[in-house]
Amino acid sequence: DAGITQSPRHKVTETGTPVTLRCHQTENHRYMYWYRQDPGHGLRLIHYSYGVKDTDKGEVSDGYSVSRSKTEDFLLTLESATSSQTSVYFCAISDEGVGNEQFFGPGTRLTVL
Amino acid sequence: GIQVEQSPPDLILQEGANSTLRCNFSDSVNNLQWFHQNPWGQLINLFYIPSGTKQNGRLSATTVATERYSLLYISSSQTTDSGVYFCAVSDKSTFGDGTTLTVKP
Repeated sequence: DAGITQSPRHKVTETGTPVTLRCHQTENHRYMYWYRQDPGHGLRLIHYSYGVKDTDKGEVSDGYSVSRSKTEDFLLTLESATSSQTSVYFCAISDEGVGNEQFFGPGTRLTVL
Repeated sequence: GIQVEQSPPDLILQEGANSTLRCNFSDSVNNLQWFHQNPWGQLINLFYIPSGTKQNGRLSATTVATERYSLLYISSSQTTDSGVYFCAVSDKSTFGDGTTLTVKP
């Protein structure tokens, strides 16, 4: 299994509070991704990173920011959480050396009350 | 952006039956993946298959890139095959909405 961990695994927070989710990899892969999954749907891309300090927006980036200061860590921040951001968040990694096949972390279940 | 459509949305089988899941995509792709999301929410890589055919035990997949579709075959289904199957155009980071498979004993 790819070495990807996410923390926390579960979080309950209140509307208006800041929240940071962490993704950590031990594979030294160049690319990292944040997705959200809502009931009955596939995953939708929030942001991705193609290297340290290099990030770009995905399909559903509004209300989210990211940072990548080290190859192994990719942080997702909700500056002011809203109930519409209640979701399961998945981190993924990939690398050109393995054809950019994506591997996923275990997910973080976030509830915003 | 690229559209990814999966069919059927839901599938119920008796244990031992075979099934075919389909994934259509609206543009050319470089990378296509199939995943199984188990009842605990974990996403498991099944196939990385931008073209051609691959087999892994009771599962196999075929992608016909020129016709913009991919198929996932499950033979002799087991209750542990239950869950949601996703295809994803991973070079565009775009997922289909999934096929929910329920295998009854």
